[in-house]
Amino acid sequence: KNEVEQSPQNLTAQEGEFITINCSYSVGISALHWLQQHPGGGIVSLFMLSSGKKKHGRLIATINIQEKHSSLHITASHPRDSAVYICAASSNSGYALNFGKGTSLLVTP
Amino acid sequence: EAGVAQSPRYKIIEKRQSVAFWCNPISGHATLYWYQQILGQGPKLLIQFQNNGVVDDSQLPKDRFSAERLKGVDSTLKIQPAKLEDSAVYLCASSSGTSGVDEQFFGPGTRLTVL
Repeated sequence: KNEVEQSPQNLTAQEGEFITINCSYSVGISALHWLQQHPGGGIVSLFMLSSGKKKHGRLIATINIQEKHSSLHITASHPRDSAVYICAASSNSGYALNFGKGTSLLVTP
Repeated sequence: EAGVAQSPRYKIIEKRQSVAFWCNPISGHATLYWYQQILGQGPKLLIQFQNNGVVDDSQLPKDRFSAERLKGVDSTLKIQPAKLEDSAVYLCASSSGTSGVDEQFFGPGTRLTVL
């Protein structure tokens, strides 16, 4: 089973700050997913990547396959970015995702 | 395009009672997942269906949990009898394909409280 670890568990930032959330996994994967979960809300897929880097608006996700590590960056953070960010890995066998415990982000005005 | 629908959104029951959750995936999606998310943890897969067949149910507590996906479309997850530790959010997700590189779309979840 792929162990997925995220850090930090909790993060508080002031509006405008640059934020980084880290994710590491233990075995080879076919893809790494970053998801966002708002309080009381469902989960939304942000990125799915297997190499390199992807950017969407103020969000950037990177992955280093050799180091088994991925990062999610948020530039110019805003209070509406407050949510739980979850990293999940899919194995090479292609079955369902193994999730990290999530990083709870609070951005204050 | 309509998203993944789940009902009910909230359910409160007493231990040893039974409960059922319903999920309607995105139209045309072959794969359906049920996840359990306990407070403070990431989701954990309970069961994965491809069409109406089970792909993975290795983490489903089969002595009390059951799930079906008749006709390969919507699905129900049942707990009978419920225990206190079953209190969690039950998430349904669907994807068009069957591999880990397919994006999964999640429903709003059902929050279960067992008293």
